Amino acid sequence: AQSVTQLGSHVSVSEGALVLLRCNYSSSVPPYLFWYVQYPNQGLQLLLKYTTGATLVKGINGFEAEFKKSETSFHLTKPSAHMSDAAEYFCAVTGSGGYNKLIFGAGTRLAVHP
Amino acid sequence: SAVISQKPSRDICQRGTSLTIQCQVDSQVTMMFWYRQQPGQSLTLIATANQGSEATYESGFVIDKFPISRPNLTFSTLTVSNMSPEDSSIYLCSVEGTSGLSYNEQFFGPGTRLTVL
Repeated sequence: AQSVTQLGSHVSVSEGALVLLRCNYSSSVPPYLFWYVQYPNQGLQLLLKYTTGATLVKGINGFEAEFKKSETSFHLTKPSAHMSDAAEYFCAVTGSGGYNKLIFGAGTRLAVHP
Repeated sequence: SAVISQKPSRDICQRGTSLTIQCQVDSQVTMMFWYRQQPGQSLTLIATANQGSEATYESGFVIDKFPISRPNLTFSTLTVSNMSPEDSSIYLCSVEGTSGLSYNEQFFGPGTRLTVL
């Protein structure tokens, strides 16, 4: 069984500040991990993913995330927030074999203020 | 990657009626997924639809309420039957990448925003 916990349903940062969105997962099999972003009134867009290999993964729009197996974490970061980063962010996990059912976290709404 | 379209993009319906949502993909895919996103909440998987077989429903979702069709490898429909205000949600379809860098990724349609009065 798999689950995802996102700490903080709302995060607010100043423009130019570090963005840190937290994600912890539980999985009985080696996980594949994803971060998706949802802008208002739009569908989901993949930011980045971890499957195997390098544990620090880089995605679009300057975001990156690090897979830490010992901490069962996959936190999302961006060194400098931009106003356009304001959106809802979802962490998701799936198993590495066979049936790829995605389990989503509750989401974190990121606000960026001037 | 896959480009996915959904129809309608939004609708307002009366309770007791049914709405069929269409999902079209620009490439052939084996598995298609239907999700529900209730207001202010995360996504919950409703069912998985494979071409040529009956959809597999998640706990809490039943075929009589959410019948799904999958007539070919690029198309699927989800019907929300006998609607009530509690069915007001965004319904999204997704497909799984099958090759190259997109393997194991899921690509999402823009969603159908349903309001039931």
